[in-house]
Amino acid sequence: DGGITQSPKYLFRKEGQNVTLSCEQNLNHDAMYWYRQDPGQGLRLIYYSQIVNDFQKGDIAEGYSVSREKKESFPLTVTSAQKNPTAFYLCASSTRDLGQPQHFGDGTRLSIL
Amino acid sequence: SQKIEQNSEALNIQEGKTATLTCNYTNYSPAYLQWYRQDPGRGPVFLLLIRENEKEKRKERLKVTFDTTLKQSLFHITASQPADSATYLCALDRYGNKLVFGAGTILRVKS
Repeated sequence: DGGITQSPKYLFRKEGQNVTLSCEQNLNHDAMYWYRQDPGQGLRLIYYSQIVNDFQKGDIAEGYSVSREKKESFPLTVTSAQKNPTAFYLCASSTRDLGQPQHFGDGTRLSIL
Repeated sequence: SQKIEQNSEALNIQEGKTATLTCNYTNYSPAYLQWYRQDPGRGPVFLLLIRENEKEKRKERLKVTFDTTLKQSLFHITASQPADSATYLCALDRYGNKLVFGAGTILRVKS
């Protein structure tokens, strides 16, 4: 079945450490997105990519970095510069056509040790 | 910037009744609006999309309305079941194919 796979499900970060969250899709979608979800808040866009080797900052990109070397993969690195990284991170994909729904993975929950 | 408001309080209803969730928005005129369902610890799942020139959309027990004058969408679940208990998110389009999401409303259906 086609879908989006995020790993790991749970991740712990130490002070000063960078961690990378994986996102893979086999839906043949051009566009991919990373969101952060905090309790009581809507999903906030971190980065998005419309095509391979291109990506743009979203609303809260500071302290995060991404790459898009393959159509299927869009990893997110949470750097030590992100001072409040504890959150639920969601990856999504869609076609590039306007008005199309986004397909989400089941998220990675990041906590600080 | 766009602002979306969904009921912050949980909606508790009895099984078999119709659940109605509200999504209000300001500072924007979206071309379309989407509704998603999210279960605890899972990613959102797309339910319905309605465009600005559509007043109503239906899918099985689900119905969405879109009033661009009131800047409001209503999401209805008829004959609700305990399995419908979840958080429901509305999302508006932004430029390109990006979305801005509301915080969601928790629905609890009691048997």
